[in-house]
Amino acid sequence: AQSVTQLGSHVSVSEGALVLLRCNYSSSVPPYLFWYVQYPNQGLQLLLKYTTGATLVKGINGFEAEFKKSETSFHLTKPSAHMSDAAEYFCAVSDPAGYSTLTFGKGTMLLVSP
Amino acid sequence: NAGVMQNPRHLVRRRGQEARLRCSPMKGHSHVYWYRQLPEEGLKFMVYLQKENIIDESGMPKERFSAEFPKEGPSILRIQQVVRGDSAAYFCASSPPGQGLSGANVLTFGAGSRLTVL
Repeated sequence: AQSVTQLGSHVSVSEGALVLLRCNYSSSVPPYLFWYVQYPNQGLQLLLKYTTGATLVKGINGFEAEFKKSETSFHLTKPSAHMSDAAEYFCAVSDPAGYSTLTFGKGTMLLVSP
Repeated sequence: NAGVMQNPRHLVRRRGQEARLRCSPMKGHSHVYWYRQLPEEGLKFMVYLQKENIIDESGMPKERFSAEFPKEGPSILRIQQVVRGDSAAYFCASSPPGQGLSGANVLTFGAGSRLTVL
């Protein structure tokens, strides 16, 4: 069985500051890893994903994440926060040998202050 | 290029009534997934369907919930005799055909249907 833990239900940063959203996973096999963003009253939008290859993955809107197998982590970062980044962020995993059913973390709400 | 369309966006039902949520996948997509988001929780997988087939319903409650994806028309998630605990946002996602078993498939999500049970 797979599980995802996102540390911190809310993270507050100032505009221009570094964004760091933490994600740790538990899986019996190396999973595929995803970050999705959800803006208010909207569906989830894919930010980035890791399947194989380079462990540092770049996504949309300046976000990136690094897969660290030894730490079972896939933390999401952005060097400089923008007001428009305020949203809820979900980390998710899937089984490479299975269907595309995702197991999600509980989400982290990113608050950006001027 | 319309994305995943869900309707209604908001649905209010009294206890004991039925709720029907519809999902039209993205054009060219033939795989549909339903997820439920309870307050303060992440999304939980419910069911995965292809046209006229339920592939994985391991996340579906055993009673009152059913899903279908007919040859023609949208996918429907049906909740019979709703209870207050069914109040949640229900998200539909779709993916293209032909990718078979691959956890790398990227799902495109709809905006969700928010069910409130009074």
